[in-house]
Amino acid sequence: SQQGEEDPQALSIQEGENATMNCSYKTSINNLQWYRQNSGRGLVHLILIRSNEREKHSGRLRVTLDTSKKSSSLLITASRAADTASYFCATDDDNYGQNFVFGPGTRLSVLP
Amino acid sequence: EAGVTQSPTHLIKTRGQQATLRCSPISGHTSVYWYQQALGLGLQFLLWYDEGEERNRGNFPPRFSGRQFPNYSSELNVNALELEDSALYLCASSFEVHAQPQHFGDGTRLSIL
Repeated sequence: SQQGEEDPQALSIQEGENATMNCSYKTSINNLQWYRQNSGRGLVHLILIRSNEREKHSGRLRVTLDTSKKSSSLLITASRAADTASYFCATDDDNYGQNFVFGPGTRLSVLP
Repeated sequence: EAGVTQSPTHLIKTRGQQATLRCSPISGHTSVYWYQQALGLGLQFLLWYDEGEERNRGNFPPRFSGRQFPNYSSELNVNALELEDSALYLCASSFEVHAQPQHFGDGTRLSIL
């Protein structure tokens, strides 16, 4: 099964609402990253959070990490139509020679 | 600063043919990663090159191969193409292997007829 799995698979909200996506993983990690992918494009790095950090902010983004529960959440506040995209979490995994393992993603639709 | 560039943007092949995809990393980045993303799915790790050497490969058959050149650009070769190889192939680069964000190109859309 996936090292990182996002939840929900799809999320639809109205502009101005907050969006929360979750990521669960199975093994211990050194850090976790969140990426965004607009349709048919490459991924864009959003935030990296290290295993000794619990929360990180970047603009309208807030990421939390709970290593005891092996989970992370990405909160997008005051969402905009331009936030419509797929969001992926990626964890480093020694089983993959320190490469990042990406989850299947959450498809976020922000309706105007 | 130029981002990661991939070529071609689209590639159409038939079963049994061979495909070559190219990637130029961000200047100064030594690590290059290749991923396969089938339609609507997540990324599957293919290959990782660093300093000209293959460091790791994902769970893909040997007909997926590649190399990294002295200027750190990279090539992904797929031999004996099969219908299920149709996907978006993404290349990413980073300064270091560990704890650094990966910077992605926009990918090559490979379609097998």
